[in-house]
Amino acid sequence: EAGVTQFPSHSVIEKGQTVTLRCDPISGHDNLYWYRRVMGKEIKFLLHFVKESKQDESGMPNNRFLAERTGGTYSTLKVQPAELEDSGVYFCASSQDYRGVQYFGPGTRLTVT
Amino acid sequence: AQSVTQPDIHITVSEGASLELRCNYSYGATPYLFWYVQSPGQGLQLLLKYFSGDTLVQGIKGFEAEFKRSQSSFNLRKPSVHWSDAAEYFCAVLYGGGGADGLTFGKGTHLIIQP
Repeated sequence: EAGVTQFPSHSVIEKGQTVTLRCDPISGHDNLYWYRRVMGKEIKFLLHFVKESKQDESGMPNNRFLAERTGGTYSTLKVQPAELEDSGVYFCASSQDYRGVQYFGPGTRLTVT
Repeated sequence: AQSVTQPDIHITVSEGASLELRCNYSYGATPYLFWYVQSPGQGLQLLLKYFSGDTLVQGIKGFEAEFKRSQSSFNLRKPSVHWSDAAEYFCAVLYGGGGADGLTFGKGTHLIIQP
């Protein structure tokens, strides 16, 4: 069974540009989560989808971040416009059950210059 | 605010020696506890979890952890480390009681193995 996949693995963009990150959860997992790790800091929760609905977006830093999960399968996280402080590693995770074990993807390393 | 503390940023252990990585969490209702490991260039891999029941839990790769409610701790142990255990280890807590849906992570502990 395929694990959580994320694309791209790396992205380097200039300040002010737009970037879209993609996450494909484990097949059949209704719960999908986004996290971010800024250098030197802990991994922080951004938001949680149940199927296509945003269940909890309390961790989203500001309105430059937009997450979608159309059709309840893969999810995208768009940053527009990107700022220097958005640099970090963005992780996606999925779980079968609410409050179940979360399985993580390899992450996308975003560098904003 | 709910928080997870891993007091050791780096730990160096000789190959074959025992290991204990510390994790403390702030009090919360019905916490679920996890340890994840990230090897270089890899994603986060689940080592073990505690939901309820026996407070000593076994995980993959020979790791175990003990939940101590009175100390709000969930320390990770391994009796004999291997060079392949060199990685970054994260303790994470899923709080209940209306908190955020996501995991709260510690800052991670880098494990360095000396030959």
